[in-house]
Amino acid sequence: SQTIHQWPATLVQPVGSPLSLECTVEGTSNPNLYWYRQAAGRGLQLLFYSVGIGQISSEVPQNLSASRPQDRQFILSSKKLLLSDSGFYLCAWSVIEAFFGQGTRLTVV
Amino acid sequence: AQSVSQHNHHVILSEAASLELGCNYSYGGTVNLFWYVQYPGQHLQLLLKYFSGDPLVKGIKGFEAEFIKSKFSFNLRKPSVQWSDTAEYFCAVKSNTGKLIFGQGTTLQVKP
Repeated sequence: SQTIHQWPATLVQPVGSPLSLECTVEGTSNPNLYWYRQAAGRGLQLLFYSVGIGQISSEVPQNLSASRPQDRQFILSSKKLLLSDSGFYLCAWSVIEAFFGQGTRLTVV
Repeated sequence: AQSVSQHNHHVILSEAASLELGCNYSYGGTVNLFWYVQYPGQHLQLLLKYFSGDPLVKGIKGFEAEFIKSKFSFNLRKPSVQWSDTAEYFCAVKSNTGKLIFGQGTTLQVKP
């Protein structure tokens, strides 16, 4: 069966520090991969998605970037975090419907 | 551009009342449509999906949705809600490019 791993579950980082959130999928090949940010009352905001290795579509210009170095690995990064980057980040994979990771609560202090 | 709009942000119903949550999307091409539910403290869970065929799709827990292509709508319905249906509901649209976007969500509160 397919599983998705997203880590860490919580993260507290100082302003200006780098960020790396990782997501890996098991049990499927060539899935679509997604990074979302979820905020109360605003639903899930699509940040990046990828339909294949090295293919990244960016939806919202901001202080973040994404990479897909392997078929089932999706990384969300930042070189220098801002206070406004605080939030809840979700990774998802999809062949048909989407399945979600447990999420990462990021607090930038 | 692809977008999804959910009309109701917060809905309050009594048990046994009927539910209809609106969802409209904009996209000129072929789409796959989904409704997800998020119970308090839990992950997003798929309620139902539409790909092709019968525009009336049935999902888990007695939910159903109807795809009306001419109206770009995919409304969620349930004839009689229960207290346990209290949750946040998200409509989602996936285009043939693989892009999957969600509406802003509707919070449903069912009063016992």
